[in-house]
Amino acid sequence: KQEVTQIPAALSVPEGENLVLNCSFTDSAIYNLQWFRQDPGKGLTSLLLIQSSQREQTSGRLNASLDKSSGRSTLYIAASQPGDSATYLCALDSWGKLQFGAGTQVVVTP
Amino acid sequence: SQTIHQWPATLVQPVGSPLSLECTVEGTSNPNLYWYRQAAGRGLQLLFYSIGIDQISSEVPQNLSASRPQDRQFILSSKKLLLSDSGFYLCAWSVRGLTSYEQYFGPGTRLTVT
Repeated sequence: KQEVTQIPAALSVPEGENLVLNCSFTDSAIYNLQWFRQDPGKGLTSLLLIQSSQREQTSGRLNASLDKSSGRSTLYIAASQPGDSATYLCALDSWGKLQFGAGTQVVVTP
Repeated sequence: SQTIHQWPATLVQPVGSPLSLECTVEGTSNPNLYWYRQAAGRGLQLLFYSIGIDQISSEVPQNLSASRPQDRQFILSSKKLLLSDSGFYLCAWSVRGLTSYEQYFGPGTRLTVT
């Protein structure tokens, strides 16, 4: 059974610092990996999707890497802003069914 | 463009009462549809997924059921709610792209069972 772990559970940084969020998984037989953002009381917003054959994806200030051999993905957010405060979730896709980590709660202080 | 709707946004129901949550998707055909639950202090858990009308798979044994009467409509139901059914319920859809099943989520329904 796939297990997904996100460390740290919570993170607080001053504005302008780079954020590094980690996601580890136990089964490398994945179809793809998605990173999501969730604001309090809201649904999930898809940030990046990395296919199993890819090693990274970039969108603006966001960069996500995938290393299947070590069972790890990292989400980098450059030059953090207070608007980046949210919970970030990674999810492993095994043929259309997502297995989620518990998330990292991020607070960016002005 | 595609949009996904869920209602109601919030719901407070007594233990033992029935439940019906609805999800509809616009702007796409033949989507895969999913129901997830996010309980307090716990991660997102897949409850049901559907690849077509009346084709539904349950991921976790529970007090809930799902139905898909139309291609873009997905309903989550219960005959008698339990306290443990409280949580944030999210509907999602995906359509297979060239190589992936990127999922898109609705705004969610906050259910409190009292």
